Amino acid sequence: SQQGEEDPQALSIQEGENATMNCSYKTSINNLQWYRQNSGRGLVHLILIRSNEREKHSGRLRVTLDTSKKSSSLLITASRAADTASYFCATDEDSNYQLIWGAGTKLIIKP
Amino acid sequence: KAGVTQTPRYLIKTRGQQVTLSCSPISGHRSVSWYQQTPGQGLQFLFEYFSETQRNKGNFPGRFSGRQFSNSRSEMNVSTLELGDSALYLCASSLGGINEKLFFGSGTQLSVL
Repeated sequence: SQQGEEDPQALSIQEGENATMNCSYKTSINNLQWYRQNSGRGLVHLILIRSNEREKHSGRLRVTLDTSKKSSSLLITASRAADTASYFCATDEDSNYQLIWGAGTKLIIKP
Repeated sequence: KAGVTQTPRYLIKTRGQQVTLSCSPISGHRSVSWYQQTPGQGLQFLFEYFSETQRNKGNFPGRFSGRQFSNSRSEMNVSTLELGDSALYLCASSLGGINEKLFFGSGTQLSVL
């Protein structure tokens, strides 16, 4: 069963705009990861944020984590056509060695 | 460094058959994990192997099994295939486990007719 819920399910924006997607989870976690998937192929790791961290940056990506609300957000700034993909969050519970995935957000960047 | 290699890329089987999928991790990675991805259920964790030992298994029937060899290469087997097993099967490798950065292969698209 999946514990991660992501919203929105789909997001369509103009190139150059910022995109924000959210992930919520149900139990205490050790860390949360974000991945990108292009056209049903393998996933590419974007960022890992630990439960004791609140914010992390990588290039145009910014991830926040609020453990009190059990939620995380991924912000992509100045979007490009190449950012068109599905984005997934994954959490590992601190009580169970397993990786739980969110349902994913499908992001479309319009030129 | 070569990436994670999964073979075959596509597979078509009929109900009742069995199938074996292969995954070669990045050199030096000792953890290999497997995932099933379907439009309905999304991504689901199957199992993870580290140094030839299965460390955890997701909520899948016993028809799904795997193993890891001494060179860290891993295989996944599904016996008595059902229509619902049609999915993209992904494997990922990492140095130490699933709670760190994972490197994914391109997946094996399995269709069960």
